[in-house]
This record gives sequence, C-alpha cells and structure tokens, in this order.
Amino acid sequence: GAVVSQHPSWVICKSGTSVKIECRSLDFQATTMFWYRQFPKQSLMLMATSNEGSKATYEQGVEKDKFLINHASLTLSTLTVTSAHPEDSSFYICSARDNWRNEKLFFGSGTQLSVL
Amino acid sequence: GQNIDQPTEMTATEGAIVQINCTYQTSGFNGLFWYQQHAGEAPTFLSYNVLDGLEEKGRFSSFLSRSKGYSYLLLKELQMKDSASYLCAVRDGDSGYALNFGKGTSLLVTP
Repeated sequence: GAVVSQHPSWVICKSGTSVKIECRSLDFQATTMFWYRQFPKQSLMLMATSNEGSKATYEQGVEKDKFLINHASLTLSTLTVTSAHPEDSSFYICSARDNWRNEKLFFGSGTQLSVL
Repeated sequence: GQNIDQPTEMTATEGAIVQINCTYQTSGFNGLFWYQQHAGEAPTFLSYNVLDGLEEKGRFSSFLSRSKGYSYLLLKELQMKDSASYLCAVRDGDSGYALNFGKGTSLLVTP
C-alpha cells in the first residue's frame, strides 16, 4: 500500500524559533499534498493545499507567511512554522493524493509540535 | 463551505453493533470517507462512498445517501481495540479534492 513518511514525529522548540516538517510519498507521485492541524480532542483542520511547482493555497485564517509550504518535487512537501509560539503547539499531519488513485488520501504519521 | 455533524461521544459493549451517523452539507460533493484515529496517531482509512448505498468491508460497513446528505458507519462484533475516534470526512471537488473533516466521534467499547 501507499506510504507517506512524515518527519519528525515530535519536536520541542523554544518560542521564536522555526521548525520544518517534511512529508514524503515513498512509493507514489503526489502532485497535491495537504497539511492539517489538530488540537487536542478536536478534528483535523485543513491548513493548506500544497501543489508541486506552484504556490500553496491557504485556508481562511491561516497565515501564509507564518506557515511556509514548499512542494518542490512530486514526492516531497515541507511545512515550516516560522517564529513559533506556544499557541502553535499542535499535531500537524500531512496527506498526499496519489496521482493515479484519486479515491483516498494517504496520511503521514503526524508531527507533535510543542513550543516552550 | 461544509457543515459536517456527527455525535461527539458514543459508548457500546464488546460484541455489540454500533452505528455512527454523519450529516453534511457541501456544494461540490465528491465522496465521503470514514477514518479511524487513535489518540496521538494519524487517521487510518476505513471506507469510501461516492454513490448511494452500502459498502461492506469485513466488520465495517458504510452507507451513503447523497440526497439526504447522510452517511453512517456501522461497526459489528465490537472489540476493545475499536475504541477510538471515528472521523467523517467529505471531499469537495470544488476545493482541490481536499478532505474536510467532522469533529469526530469518540467511541468507547466497554467489556
């Protein structure tokens, strides 16, 4: 089955620093990847849609200058949380759509970010 | 935009059957998904419906009625390991095929 690798699994950082999260599709090509955020006991909230070779599309209320997304290849998208603050502490999950199997998304294992 | 509603919590007994309902409103419906999520883990795919009717997959079945904006997930022969959050998600073809999730139903299976 299709595998999406997300790294790191967890990260603790100081307030004001930047954190980069990687999302890789290991055995399929993904023109489109999605980034979600999940706060405790809440559902996944779509942050942005990442498109290979073009700018990401951000959902309303998500700051594009704070959450930088780069999708430079068909198998890699990165999310950088810039100048992280404690309120950015959350579970971040990426998902990828297989170019040839549109019926479902494949999720990474998630990244738990804790900002001190 | 989409409104996806599902119950917050449910409790059921091991060996029993439980039905988790989901209602939605969307402008460009392109499929309804059910995912299972254990705490601190990523969601895992359970089922996908794009046409009306029942999809059965082992102990799990999912039903869709597009005219009513309604779906349910049916879990049979409940096991303790089925205790998890169940997420209903709708794919909107008008928004790049992203999935929009409901708030999830936390299911507790008791002995």
